[in-house]
Amino acid sequence: SQQGEEDPQALSIQEGENATMNCSYKTSINNLQWYRQNSGRGLVHLILIRSNEREKHSGRLRVTLDTSKKSSSLLITASRAADTASYFCATGNTGFQKLVFGTGTRLLVSP
Amino acid sequence: DTAVSQTPKYLVTQMGNDKSIKCEQNLGHDTMYWYKQDSKKFLKIMFSYNNKELIINETVPNRFSPKSPDKAHLNLHINSLELGDSAVYFCASSQDRVSRHGYTFGSGTRLTVV
Repeated sequence: SQQGEEDPQALSIQEGENATMNCSYKTSINNLQWYRQNSGRGLVHLILIRSNEREKHSGRLRVTLDTSKKSSSLLITASRAADTASYFCATGNTGFQKLVFGTGTRLLVSP
Repeated sequence: DTAVSQTPKYLVTQMGNDKSIKCEQNLGHDTMYWYKQDSKKFLKIMFSYNNKELIINETVPNRFSPKSPDKAHLNLHINSLELGDSAVYFCASSQDRVSRHGYTFGSGTRLTVV
């Protein structure tokens, strides 16, 4: 069954604004990862946060993880038109790893 | 240099045919995967190989048969193609079986069965 659900399904903002996407999952995890997919392309790994971490930054990206609520958020600050893409969260467990992907958020950043 | 490369990028074929998709990674990763992305962008794992050994085989019809001749290659063969097989198939690799550093994805193969 699908592990993660993302909210919102679609988000439309203006350049310069911040974009926040949320991900909820169902079972315990080892790590949670965020990926970006541009239209017609493969997924690109953005950031990984481990289950014992609460917040992580990478450039304009900030990820938070709340394991008690089984949720994560991805914040993109000062968005650019080039950030237009679909964003997926994916959860990983211990042992034989397989990433289970969320349903994705489609982000549209208008100039 | 392309890290994970898949061929072909597009594949249009008739129902009942047999087709293969090839994947190669030059990252020295130990683990490779096949994922299927449907028309609603839902991504689901199909198979995972670690050092040529099958470690994950999700509930995929046995018409789908992966083959890993070495740890840099993971091919996907599909027999008796059906309309429902139409999707984008992604190959990915990771440094280890616990994917601590994330996956590297290929650009996908868009399969259309007519």
